[in-house]
Amino acid sequence: NAGVTQTPKFQVLKTGQSMTLQCAQDMNHNSMYWYRQDPGMGLRLIYYSASEGTTDKGEVPNGYNVSRLNKREFSLRLESAAPSQTSVYFCASSTQLNTGELFFGEGSRLTVL
Amino acid sequence: GENVEQHPSTLSVQEGDSAVIKCTYSDSASNYFPWYKQELGKGPQLIIDIRSNVGEKKDQRIAVTLNKTAKHFSLHITETQPEDSAVYFCAVNTGFQKLVFGTGTRLLVSP
Repeated sequence: NAGVTQTPKFQVLKTGQSMTLQCAQDMNHNSMYWYRQDPGMGLRLIYYSASEGTTDKGEVPNGYNVSRLNKREFSLRLESAAPSQTSVYFCASSTQLNTGELFFGEGSRLTVL
Repeated sequence: GENVEQHPSTLSVQEGDSAVIKCTYSDSASNYFPWYKQELGKGPQLIIDIRSNVGEKKDQRIAVTLNKTAKHFSLHITETQPEDSAVYFCAVNTGFQKLVFGTGTRLLVSP
């Protein structure tokens, strides 16, 4: 079972460049999330999608956009990357919004120079 | 918004000892308290969770206790083993149906 798959695993960008992180889950989950993880700050929610067709801002949405392409896929886009967006990004999914187990991908390490 | 504090940030124990990690939260409406384990290079994985209608839950060497009056909950690992070495995160759901994570505890179990 693949679970939650994120691509790419590593990416280096220059300031101002754009990129999209892809996420797909094969567990038929309704809800999907994007988190960023920075040293000493735990996991912070960027955006989430409670169900197909809906997206909402999390704790730190500035500089990001998301698309819930279908039930399986939830992408995160950086339109104009900044050094402050250097982080490890995790996609997660769950059957329902925030009341059960989150299943995480293995992360995407992004460096913005 | 919800404030979740997690202590300690690092914890070193000898194999076989017990480890305790504590989290405090601020939103009295919170009713779901999971703990996640993150191994190096991996995503976090749920190890145990507790809901506000119970005070304690055990799963083999892992237990979680909840004190809703004091707004804190703790992870207890007994008979620690080197494979328990990882970063552990607590989390709390908020009244706005979002999960807020603690800042993590790096546990090192020495043989």
